[in-house]
Amino acid sequence: NAGVMQNPRHLVRRRGQEARLRCSPMKGHSHVYWYRQLPEEGLKFMVYLQKENIIDESGMPKERFSAEFPKEGPSILRIQQVVRGDSAAYFCASSPLATENYGYTFGSGTRLTVV
Amino acid sequence: AQTVTQSQPEMSVQEAETVTLSCTYDTSESNYYLFWYKQPPSRQMILVIRQEAYKQQNATENRFSVNFQKAAKSFSLKISDSQLGDTAMYFCAFIAYSGAGSYQLTFGKGTKLSVIP
Repeated sequence: NAGVMQNPRHLVRRRGQEARLRCSPMKGHSHVYWYRQLPEEGLKFMVYLQKENIIDESGMPKERFSAEFPKEGPSILRIQQVVRGDSAAYFCASSPLATENYGYTFGSGTRLTVV
Repeated sequence: AQTVTQSQPEMSVQEAETVTLSCTYDTSESNYYLFWYKQPPSRQMILVIRQEAYKQQNATENRFSVNFQKAAKSFSLKISDSQLGDTAMYFCAFIAYSGAGSYQLTFGKGTKLSVIP
């Protein structure tokens, strides 16, 4: 029973390049959440998606960041024209239902380094 | 706004001793759940314990227990018989309706716990 799978585990991009982070939720989970963790900080909510729908993107920067969760395949967090300040660990979590009584299952994160 | 405050950036404890990590939160919601997550150097976020806000009884999970004071909006974690494998960052979090169509998990900044042999 595989957990939440994120890849790559580490990603290095030069300033101005694009970063694509992938997340496959746990089997049976149709709700996906992306969080960002800056150094010495807790995780900050970015976006919540269900299959083919963005439900809540209130934590997503308005420019350069986008997310999708297609009918088939993993959820993708895309960062265009990366800058040094985008360097962080990006975590994906999934849950079976959109209620408050589930602690999400997290992946191991992708550490993005912008050089 | 929903916030979580962990006032102890770092703590240390001798192996086999007991340590308590503090957490306070603020929310206007009446239905919510509280969690403690552990993040070891591997970076994996591991759920340690959860507490339903409507339950008065404090949650317990083996060596881990919480002291939930709803009126004070306090949710501390007690680790008994500390082990070297408990060395990690510990994050307090709660989940409540965000008002934007989802239930958001809000985290504190974490407490770095070191267990000393």
